[in-house]
Amino acid sequence: EAQVTQNPRYLITVTGKKLTVTCSQNMNHEYMSWYRQDPGLGLRQIYYSMNVEVTDKGDVPEGYKVSRKEKRNFPLILESPSPNQTSLYFCASSFVGGWYSPLHFGNGTRLTVT
Amino acid sequence: AQTVTQSQPEMSVQEAETVTLSCTYDTSESDYYLFWYKQPPSRQMILVIRQEAYKQQNATENRFSVNFQKAAKSFSLKISDSQLGDAAMYFCALGGATNKLIFGTGTLLAVQP
Repeated sequence: EAQVTQNPRYLITVTGKKLTVTCSQNMNHEYMSWYRQDPGLGLRQIYYSMNVEVTDKGDVPEGYKVSRKEKRNFPLILESPSPNQTSLYFCASSFVGGWYSPLHFGNGTRLTVT
Repeated sequence: AQTVTQSQPEMSVQEAETVTLSCTYDTSESDYYLFWYKQPPSRQMILVIRQEAYKQQNATENRFSVNFQKAAKSFSLKISDSQLGDAAMYFCALGGATNKLIFGTGTLLAVQP
């Protein structure tokens, strides 16, 4: 089954404790991206990757890191999480580009930072 | 800058009735795509419908159709014969030139039995 897999689904952590949210797609998509969803703000892009070893900042990259060492994986790293990073996070992928090709989303990760 | 505005935070519709969700956008690009995504309580993001800006014809997917008014930069979603399973948050999104989708703030649709 074609899918984007995110883990974990829920995560509660404390301020400053490094964490990684994993994302993997099995559709051989070149483009992958991370979004965060906050009430009243919709979804905002954090980082995106056009292909292996090619990443770039989105609209809200502060406090996040990403890497794209393999085509299928695109982990999101929070090296020192803070409470303002409490949010719902989505990984997404598409065949090519980031806008005209429909995005396939993972099931989301609910992160709480206390 | 590209923007997407959904001015209806919440809407309600009776089962089997028709409802229209509004979306306006702004872009200086001539080539772009517009999308409606559905997010049910499971929080999964599901593509409902897609419209290419250069196409005059309004997109349709079963009970879902759009009214695309390019000059007015309006992209509304019509849901006909509403069903209980249509209850969800609906997001309008714009894609063009940049490597991302710009999302609106969402409209929460309730379906009354």
